[in-house]
Amino acid sequence: KAGVTQTPRYLIKTRGQQVTLSCSPISGHRSVSWYQQTPGQGLQFLFEYFSETQRNKGNFPGRFSGRQFSNSRSEMNVSTLELGDSALYLCASSFQGDWDNEQFFGPGTRLTVL
Amino acid sequence: QKEVEQNSGPLSVPEGAIASLNCTYSDRGSQSFFWYRQYSGKSPELIMFIYSNGDKEDGRFTAQLNKASQYVSLLIRDSQPSDSATYLCAAHYGNNRLAFGKGNQVVVIP
Repeated sequence: KAGVTQTPRYLIKTRGQQVTLSCSPISGHRSVSWYQQTPGQGLQFLFEYFSETQRNKGNFPGRFSGRQFSNSRSEMNVSTLELGDSALYLCASSFQGDWDNEQFFGPGTRLTVL
Repeated sequence: QKEVEQNSGPLSVPEGAIASLNCTYSDRGSQSFFWYRQYSGKSPELIMFIYSNGDKEDGRFTAQLNKASQYVSLLIRDSQPSDSATYLCAAHYGNNRLAFGKGNQVVVIP
């Protein structure tokens, strides 16, 4: 069974640009969550999607947005990039996102903002 | 109060010894807990998932959950150099998200 895939794996952008990251969950999984990981803040929750609906959002500015498609693939977008957005962006896949579902991470997208 | 706390500093253990990691959480409503292993430059890898009080064993790993004390632990038996990594504890919150601790670095010394 294929794991979670994320593209691209690495990105270099400049301040003010926007970026779109993609995540394909494990086959059959319908919940996709996004996290930002930085050395200072650790892993922080961005948002979670299930059946094309955002069910929950973390404490991030509106520049961070996402969506989910009917095949459960998800994208997140960051507009007007800032230096502080440099991080590893991870998506996690689970069956339904419920408490009794395991959650598996993809390899991540390393974003560098110059 | 942080949602999930992992307070121990880097842990160095000799090869073959037991590594013990601890984690506390603040929300009594959390029902399930995860231990992830993360190698430097890589993404977190799920190694244990527990939601019932007591112990859960998987190979050399044992997770222990005590909901009354809001405490989760991970034991790594017969530690190997390949176990050298950062271990992240996470709690599932009712709004379908995981809250993570800062992680504990484990170094297994050959």
